Amino acid sequence: GQQLNQSPQSMFIQEGEDVSMNCTSSSIFNTWLWYKQDPGEGPVLLIALYKAGELTSNGRLTAQFGITRKDSFLNISASIPSDVGIYFCAGHLGFIIQGAQKLVFGQGTRLTINP
Amino acid sequence: KAGVTQTPRYLIKTRGQQVTLSCSPISGHRSVSWYQQTPGQGLQFLFEYFSETQRNKGNFPGRFSGRQFSNSRSEMNVSTLELGDSALYLCASSLGPSSNEQFFGPGTRLTVL
Repeated sequence: GQQLNQSPQSMFIQEGEDVSMNCTSSSIFNTWLWYKQDPGEGPVLLIALYKAGELTSNGRLTAQFGITRKDSFLNISASIPSDVGIYFCAGHLGFIIQGAQKLVFGQGTRLTINP
Repeated sequence: KAGVTQTPRYLIKTRGQQVTLSCSPISGHRSVSWYQQTPGQGLQFLFEYFSETQRNKGNFPGRFSGRQFSNSRSEMNVSTLELGDSALYLCASSLGPSSNEQFFGPGTRLTVL
């Protein structure tokens, strides 16, 4: 299926550091979503972005919807141990292509934090 | 408000068997989507249901099927299980097919031996 280009694939940081990850695509999306997944659990929605250029925060998390509508980034400030997990971006096409998912996912960024 | 629930959480089956997974969406949500998640392929879309009708289907063989009930609960069935069907199966609910936000359940971990 379709995929977004999400980078980096993995990050190893020290507790307290800031984190930045991004997603790019050749397709235009009308919504960007960021999810976090803990081992053995389903993805949890962190932030939803609806307008190009939109910048939205959720606690220590900040995400932006790129002006071109083809990219988005997620920043985590002052990381803590519970931030460990896999972060997924997802772009919503806004229309149905038969046989294709309208919510397209990145491959994920695995975040590891050294205390 | 309770989140998306999926049962069972874990399943072990052998090749050739069939399996049925269940999903109850968030109260008031009428659209349910199913995904297969594997380390190599990531999140792959299986199908989406709304008002008891399948609205879209991903690129999976006919062994994978689903349905939705009048209370919006959904089930998916996999027949003639293969080793490659081992995966985390995730259900996501949304208000309706035009809603952009999907909320995931905890998943069912299926292991095929």
